[in-house]
Amino acid sequence: DVKVTQSSRYLVKRTGEKVFLECVQDMDHENMFWYRQDPGLGLRLIYFSYDVKMKEKGDIPEGYSVSREKKERFSLILESASTNQTSMYLCASSLRGTRSDTQYFGPGTRLTVL
Amino acid sequence: DQQVKQNSPSLSVQEGRISILNCDYTNSMFDYFLWYKKYPAEGPTFLISISSIKDKNEDGRFTVFLNKSAKHLSLHIVPSQPGDSAVYFCAASARNNRLAFGKGNQVVVIP
Repeated sequence: DVKVTQSSRYLVKRTGEKVFLECVQDMDHENMFWYRQDPGLGLRLIYFSYDVKMKEKGDIPEGYSVSREKKERFSLILESASTNQTSMYLCASSLRGTRSDTQYFGPGTRLTVL
Repeated sequence: DQQVKQNSPSLSVQEGRISILNCDYTNSMFDYFLWYKKYPAEGPTFLISISSIKDKNEDGRFTVFLNKSAKHLSLHIVPSQPGDSAVYFCAASARNNRLAFGKGNQVVVIP
């Protein structure tokens, strides 16, 4: 059973703060993803990673960076948080090379930037 | 541009009746399709999927239909239950390790 965990369920930060969101998966998946979900906009891909130390920009990478130092861990970094980054952040993982690309999601982090 | 489209953002249905959610896609390279269910303040959970070599896949109360020529798929939930009240996302894969998601449909099942 795939388990994806995220470090915080709720987070409140101030404008300009540096924010770290951590994600860990325990199924030895190669692929990991960060999305944000906003009402009416669905899930938008921020960054993804195919392997350790590899990263690819998604559809909305501006204002974010990522780090993948270990296979099981994928971090999302907001270098200087802004109010328009208030959102639900979702991490996901998947096995590379499968027929389906099925992704498994963590519980999400609700980030509020004041 | 939105490659996966879910119109009719919300749907209300009586308990016991059928819920039908629709999804259209534009990319002909998509060959695997998935539905996810999401409760508020939780991550999406995988519900059901279908490969492009099939036109129907069934799992309990959930059935997904695929019409490749129309680039259209639908999710049927029969019978609908109050616990089915959630947002449902349609997603598609071109086997490139990424999923393209629709914007979601809110389903409300009225007891």
